[in-house]
Amino acid sequence: ELKVEQNPLFLSMQEGKNYTIYCNYSTTSDRLYWYRQDPGKSLESLFVLLSNGAVKQEGRLMASLDTKARLSTLHITAAVHDLSATYFCAVDTDNAGNMLTFGGGTRLMVKP
Amino acid sequence: GAGVSQSPSNKVTEKGKDVELRCDPISGHTALYWYRQSLGQGLEFLIYFQGNSAPDKSGLPSDRFSAERTGGSVSTLTIQRTQQEDSAVYLCASSLGYRKKEQFFGPGTRLTVL
Repeated sequence: ELKVEQNPLFLSMQEGKNYTIYCNYSTTSDRLYWYRQDPGKSLESLFVLLSNGAVKQEGRLMASLDTKARLSTLHITAAVHDLSATYFCAVDTDNAGNMLTFGGGTRLMVKP
Repeated sequence: GAGVSQSPSNKVTEKGKDVELRCDPISGHTALYWYRQSLGQGLEFLIYFQGNSAPDKSGLPSDRFSAERTGGSVSTLTIQRTQQEDSAVYLCASSLGYRKKEQFFGPGTRLTVL
């Protein structure tokens, strides 16, 4: 059974600081996704990582994938309040069928 | 363009009643997924449709849950004899197909079973 673990589950940080969210998964996969969810809203796709060593950046967020370590990171640079949300990583593998298996989410609060 | 739409946005029902939740995928997307998001269980896969193939029902939690997809487009998730533990947000997602797996999510239906 594929397991996806995120840490931390909750992160409170000051504006202007940097931090990294980690996503570990338990089986071979080269497809990993990051989503953002605002309270009461649906999931917004942030990044799609499709190969080992993939790195993608959008604004203050950068995601990377190491399939050998079965690890993805979401790095936040110089956080701003607008980044406050819950972030989910999700993995899919052919062995697991066509569904996404999600991590537990990281609730990020950025304080002024 | 239009994204994934779901209706109703909120549904309150009494225990034991049946409910139907609707999903309209993005036009041209052949793959459609249902997930459930609850406090205790996080985000869980329920069922997947790809084109005219038989659906993957491996995530359905009990035989009270069923789903269909008519004409390869709109999907309906039906929960019979609802229980309080069915209370959750039900999310629908669609993607272009089997090998293009980025899934785009709808706004969800919040189901509350009293």
